[in-house]
Amino acid sequence: GAGVSQSPSNKVTEKGKDVELRCDPISGHTALYWYRQSLGQGLEFLIYFQGNSAPDKSGLPSDRFSAERTGGSVSTLTIQRTQQEDSAVYLCASSSRTEAFFGQGTRLTVV
Amino acid sequence: SQKIEQNSEALNIQEGKTATLTCNYTNYSPAYLQWYRQDPGRGPVFLLLIRENEKEKRKERLKVTFDTTLKQSLFHITASQPADSATYLCALRSSGSARQLTFGSGTQLTVLP
Repeated sequence: GAGVSQSPSNKVTEKGKDVELRCDPISGHTALYWYRQSLGQGLEFLIYFQGNSAPDKSGLPSDRFSAERTGGSVSTLTIQRTQQEDSAVYLCASSSRTEAFFGQGTRLTVV
Repeated sequence: SQKIEQNSEALNIQEGKTATLTCNYTNYSPAYLQWYRQDPGRGPVFLLLIRENEKEKRKERLKVTFDTTLKQSLFHITASQPADSATYLCALRSSGSARQLTFGSGTQLTVLP
């Protein structure tokens, strides 16, 4: 596709369940980022992948959060045992050099 | 600790005036600074990039300045229009080992007709 694609666009889950959020970056982009945005707030950095280097996981808020990037392309963010405070929009971005291209985000609601 | 601060959460200006948004940072050695626009329900969209060795960058009605001594960037929209209403985010990439792109909390700009 022409842009960054995220799925699902909306996800409602029960507290305690696991969720997987998917990001399809722009083809050829070596860098991939995950951010979290709560209502009316800025972007909170979660994790950064760059090529074959070890990912920068310094922004993951707890060990319930993990992410992988397979084959240097598609990425999955997994949240285990979801809590209500995990409710937010999760944004993925990819980049080839400097400019980051964002997807539309996944709105996660934990009930 | 590292911090990126944008001047205010909300800014209202009259159509036709110049909007000026501020981004201040501490404990960063930025390789470059970027400005993004975010509309409700959408992801941020890149507007401009300015490098550490540049003082000013322009694009149409947009102007960005970068003062590494003051640790500040100013983002100007001249001849503002209601369609410019959005949240504007600054972002830094450090020149050090921490290579992630870190965002400020944003300034919500409303241009009143």
